[in-house]
Amino acid sequence: EVQLVESGGELVQPGGSLRLSCAASGFTFSTYAMNWVRQAPGKGLEWVSTMSNTGGSTYYADSVKGRFTISRDISKNTLYLQMNSLRAEDTAVYYCTKDLWYTGSYSAADHWGQGTLVTVSS
Amino acid sequence: QSALAQPASVSGSPGQSITISCTGTSSDVGRYYLVSWYQQHPGKAPKLIIYEGSERPSGVTNRFSGSKSGNTASLTISGLQAEDEADYYCCSYAGISTVYIFGTGTKVTVL
Repeated sequence: EVQLVESGGELVQPGGSLRLSCAASGFTFSTYAMNWVRQAPGKGLEWVSTMSNTGGSTYYADSVKGRFTISRDISKNTLYLQMNSLRAEDTAVYYCTKDLWYTGSYSAADHWGQGTLVTVSS
Repeated sequence: QSALAQPASVSGSPGQSITISCTGTSSDVGRYYLVSWYQQHPGKAPKLIIYEGSERPSGVTNRFSGSKSGNTASLTISGLQAEDEADYYCCSYAGISTVYIFGTGTKVTVL
């Protein structure tokens, strides 16, 4: 059974940093693209970042480019999101998602974690 | 890129069919047959219900169906049930720099 478990969300001051983790199990982590998607309180879903199935490519939404970094540790089956220069508008539940196919094409997120809440406030 | 446009709310009576539209551009919905749909109940993580325009993941009821015409994708829920009351989001592959773009979301109410 595929499981994605996020952690690391907490209250942080504007300008601060935070690293989110997503522990993956139940599938071959090293062969699937992985994503971070966020949802601000009462708002819709927003794609944040993607790491390709090979780990060789990373992509970011314009709203986080230059501030957030996605990475993974295959030995730990864990996906990370390093978030720097945090702003109030980054306040959201952050979901880790697994892509549907292992072939390298991007199609859909077939599994989601339960999410972790990041609150940016002074 | 702007979010894909969805109606804010759609409602229907039990047993009826409803359709949710998702309008993008020729750079996303119109260019790729890679539209997915997600159902989200309050306080829960989203769940994939349609991928690649019209495919259903294993275990998803066939009351959900998807289609696309030009720059607009659609999700139809037939035989509406109380458990279908939730928020629904479309999502499209948008090319290699902006991988995914989500819709604005639609709240479905079962009357």
